[in-house]
Amino acid sequence: GQQLNQSPQSMFIQEGEDVSMNCTSSSIFNTWLWYKQDPGEGPVLLIALYKAGELTSNGRLTAQFGITRKDSFLNISASIPSDVGIYFCAGRGQGAQKLVFGQGTRLTINP
Amino acid sequence: SAVISQKPSRDICQRGTSLTIQCQVDSQVTMMFWYRQQPGQSLTLIATANQGSEATYESGFVIDKFPISRPNLTFSTLTVSNMSPEDSSIYLCSVARGYSGNTIYFGEGSWLTVV
Repeated sequence: GQQLNQSPQSMFIQEGEDVSMNCTSSSIFNTWLWYKQDPGEGPVLLIALYKAGELTSNGRLTAQFGITRKDSFLNISASIPSDVGIYFCAGRGQGAQKLVFGQGTRLTINP
Repeated sequence: SAVISQKPSRDICQRGTSLTIQCQVDSQVTMMFWYRQQPGQSLTLIATANQGSEATYESGFVIDKFPISRPNLTFSTLTVSNMSPEDSSIYLCSVARGYSGNTIYFGEGSWLTVV
């Protein structure tokens, strides 16, 4: 079945630094979604990508749908304390109804 | 986007009991999904809730343990039956919207602790 590998699993950074995380899949995807989850809450959609090569921004966040359709990355610029949380990538393959999730990247920011 | 409300948001349950989680969406949707997120883990799809027909369950999940109702296009329930401590998780309702229904939005989640 489809699998997603998300990295890194955790990041410890200083406030103000830029962050980059990525996901790779074992098969071609036609949708990539990036979510942020705070403790005890449901995931909140950050960015949705639907086309290979698509680059989309949401404030300080930027995500890209890889040309090969097997990867995506999320960048956060100039991190702030409220960026702390767990970030999940998710993707859906061609003809598939099921959304596959990465293992998550836990972001910790040192003030 | 979508406004998805879940009840309860949190509960502490006794072993062997059952609990029903409700999910209400702000407008009609064709596809609703139920996910489980065990502590420190990613999200796992339990089932797809279909209006007017039985839910479609993923491998490892069965109707007797996780019965689902979908009486209309804005509401669904998930019951966690005969709970054990291993069922302690966040249960999440989600809906498909947007471009070709490819965008999935989540409710706030229902955090169940089984003691």
